Amino acid sequence: AQTVTQSQPEMSVQEAETVTLSCTYDTSESNYYLFWYKQPPSRQMILVIRQEAYKQQNATENRFSVNFQKAAKSFSLKISDSQLGDTAMYFCAFGGDYKLSFGAGTTVTVRA
Amino acid sequence: DTGVSQDPRHKITKRGQNVTFRCDPISEHNRLYWYRQTLGQGPEFLTYFQNEAQLEKSRLLSDRFSAERPKGSFSTLEIQRTEQGDSAMYLCASSPPTGLADTQYFGPGTRLTVL
Repeated sequence: AQTVTQSQPEMSVQEAETVTLSCTYDTSESNYYLFWYKQPPSRQMILVIRQEAYKQQNATENRFSVNFQKAAKSFSLKISDSQLGDTAMYFCAFGGDYKLSFGAGTTVTVRA
Repeated sequence: DTGVSQDPRHKITKRGQNVTFRCDPISEHNRLYWYRQTLGQGPEFLTYFQNEAQLEKSRLLSDRFSAERPKGSFSTLEIQRTEQGDSAMYLCASSPPTGLADTQYFGPGTRLTVL
């Protein structure tokens, strides 16, 4: 079974600044996907960004980018130019076959 | 664009009662998943369907839990003889028939409270 660890329960960032969320995982598989999902308060989970393990290039989606270190089994998320709407719980997830294994989440609060 | 829908959004029941939740996936998605999320935690996998076939059940899914997807479209999750420990958010997700661990799209969830 894959384990996903998010070591930061909570992060706070000033609006317009940058915050980085950490995620590590454990797997023996060579082919897999990694995801960051966002879950705003009382709202449904939505995909932020995904990374295929066979791709060396780090994924980016507008203000969101990842630092994928396959050998270190590390997958961090950087949120640039933070906005109030980024306030949410962020989950790192591992997808090795059909199901996802999630970390415990990091609550991000963006301060005005 | 219709996303994943779940019904009901909230359910309060007394211990020992049976409850049933429904999930309607995105129409062209043949894969459907159920997860359970407790407060402050990440979702945990419960079960997975490809079309109407239930391909895996987690050990978390005790014999009081049953899921069906009779025509490969909507799915139901039933919990019999509910216990207080069943209180959680039950999430449904779906994904298209492409590749390994493709992106899963989540519904809003059904929040179950067992009194």
